Amino acid sequence: TQLLEQSPQFLSIQEGENLTVYCNSSSVFSSLQWYRQEPGEGPVLLVTVVTGGEVKKLKRLTFQFGDARKDSSLHITAAQPGDTGLYLCAGGTNSGYALNFGKGTSLLVTP
Amino acid sequence: GAGVSQSPRYKVAKRGQDVALRCDPISGHVSLFWYQQALGQGPEFLTYFQNEAQLDKSGLPSDRFFAERPEGSVSTLKIQRTQQEDSAVYLCASSPLGDTQYFGPGTRLTVL
Repeated sequence: TQLLEQSPQFLSIQEGENLTVYCNSSSVFSSLQWYRQEPGEGPVLLVTVVTGGEVKKLKRLTFQFGDARKDSSLHITAAQPGDTGLYLCAGGTNSGYALNFGKGTSLLVTP
Repeated sequence: GAGVSQSPRYKVAKRGQDVALRCDPISGHVSLFWYQQALGQGPEFLTYFQNEAQLDKSGLPSDRFFAERPEGSVSTLKIQRTQQEDSAVYLCASSPLGDTQYFGPGTRLTVL
């Protein structure tokens, strides 16, 4: 059972466009992480957000954690083909150490 | 430095066969996790070790799944009497205690 819902499930855009993907839950998370996974590889951590309302920037990527710590968004500015991949959000809970992952957003950026 | 490695990278098994999947974590990492990722899904937690102790196995789908980490380093996930629904990518992750999890490339298991 996956507690995190990600949308959209698929996204195909052209180089230079902006996009936002969403991660929503009815549960409160102590922290939320975003990963990118490429075919045949394991997920690679992009960022961890822990404070409600927190905004973090990583070059062209902007991550936001909702005030109630139930949702998050990832915004990519001027997407590039190298941004292509599966973007996964994962929540950590105070009661455990295992990560709860969403199903992911599969992003394709074409030149 | 070396990351998390997993072997084999690909495994094809006939239904009913037993398989063993290996994970070599980053040296010195206390925590080790196994996840199962079905096609088109996000990873789902299977089990967690802290050193050699298996502290949580609540995600193992059935008693056909067994994991061990006898010396607190290398871990093996064993699946007995494989079934088609076991087909998935099995991911291993390690971390210093309570910190970021670093994932291996996974083992893709196909059960025919």
